[in-house]
Amino acid sequence: GAVVSQHPSRVICKSGTSVKIECRSLDFQATTMFWYRQFPKQSLMLMATSNEGSKATYEQGVEKDKFLINHASLTLSTLTVTSAHPEDSSFYICSARTSGGVQYFGPGTRLTVT
Amino acid sequence: AQKVTQAQTEISVVEKEDVTLDCVYETRDTTYYLFWYKQPPSGELVFLIRRNSFDEQNEISGRYSWNFQKSTSSFNFTITASQVVDSAVYFCALSDLGNTGGFKTIFGAGTRLFVKA
Repeated sequence: GAVVSQHPSRVICKSGTSVKIECRSLDFQATTMFWYRQFPKQSLMLMATSNEGSKATYEQGVEKDKFLINHASLTLSTLTVTSAHPEDSSFYICSARTSGGVQYFGPGTRLTVT
Repeated sequence: AQKVTQAQTEISVVEKEDVTLDCVYETRDTTYYLFWYKQPPSGELVFLIRRNSFDEQNEISGRYSWNFQKSTSSFNFTITASQVVDSAVYFCALSDLGNTGGFKTIFGAGTRLFVKA
């Protein structure tokens, strides 16, 4: 099946620094990628929809200046958490959609902000 | 409005029992997709099934089966003869156009399944 990778799988950073997470579709081109956030024992919450070559569409309540999304190619989207704070600690999951409409998910990135 | 409800927060069964996970959805669209994903303790989401709104045929895949009923807006998932390896969180998800012009997927709260040996 389709494969989506994320890098890094885990990251620990200090409060106030920025962290970049990469999401790649390895064996298909994805014009649309999605970024989700999952707190412990909770569901996945959609943060933003990323379309190749255009600006991301953010869900209500998600700060676009804090969570910068770039979808520079059909196989790569990046999420940068700027000026991270402890409350940004979470599991971030990206998803890439195939031309057939199925979303495949990356393995997730666990961010810990100290 | 786009909404997915998984009323069962946790279910605990003994191995070899059958178990059904419920999913009820809301959408204004006539074209939409429904999904089930499994999230084991490792955290990685595993795709199980996708159904489109025009295909109400039930599906069976090994020990897994799905019952899609538009009349009740439900898409339930049954595991037959459960095994310990089935222990995970299962998410039902809905993808529709909404008013954004592009499909986006939202998830239910998830059902945590414990299968005891």
